[in-house]
Amino acid sequence: KAGVTQTPRYLIKTRGQQVTLSCSPISGHRSVSWYQQTPGQGLQFLFEYFSETQRNKGNFPGRFSGRQFSNSRSEMNVSTLELGDSALYLCASSLERGAPDTQYFGPGTRLTVL
Amino acid sequence: SQQGEEDPQALSIQEGENATMNCSYKTSINNLQWYRQNSGRGLVHLILIRSNEREKHSGRLRVTLDTSKKSSSLLITASRAADTASYFCATDAGGNNRLAFGKGNQVVVIP
Repeated sequence: KAGVTQTPRYLIKTRGQQVTLSCSPISGHRSVSWYQQTPGQGLQFLFEYFSETQRNKGNFPGRFSGRQFSNSRSEMNVSTLELGDSALYLCASSLERGAPDTQYFGPGTRLTVL
Repeated sequence: SQQGEEDPQALSIQEGENATMNCSYKTSINNLQWYRQNSGRGLVHLILIRSNEREKHSGRLRVTLDTSKKSSSLLITASRAADTASYFCATDAGGNNRLAFGKGNQVVVIP
């Protein structure tokens, strides 16, 4: 089975722009979670989608949003980019067969905001 | 406060030695997981231990969990240069699929 894929792998944007990142989960996985990783804050949970519904949300401003499609693929969007949004964005998918549930991570999208 | 605070933060060892890193957390958990990350890339799942388990093995990895102390340890035996990475513990205290990660341990294995 193919692993979790994320596109693009690298992205450079300027302040004020918006960006959309994409995540394709492992085939059959219905839950997709997003995390932000920065040197200062470490790994922080953004949100989780299951069956096209946001099920969990972390403590991030409304500029961060996401969605999930019927094929479980997910996108996250960041509007009005700030310098502090520069980070590695990781998505993870899980089978959701019942707890405990292992999350499998993609390679990440490295976003640089100039 | 942040869940899962690993200790120590950085570890440098010779190839063949064992590496031990610890993780503490603050709230009740259902399970705790350890992940490895190489050079800012994706996280690789290593092992999951449930709250009713005390010890688990996977290859050269040994994880212990002490729920009374709210702590876990990861032992890598007979380390190899390829084990050079950052290691994170993560708890499910935030709810299903909402992992709370620690700050990570950077391990450098010198050939």
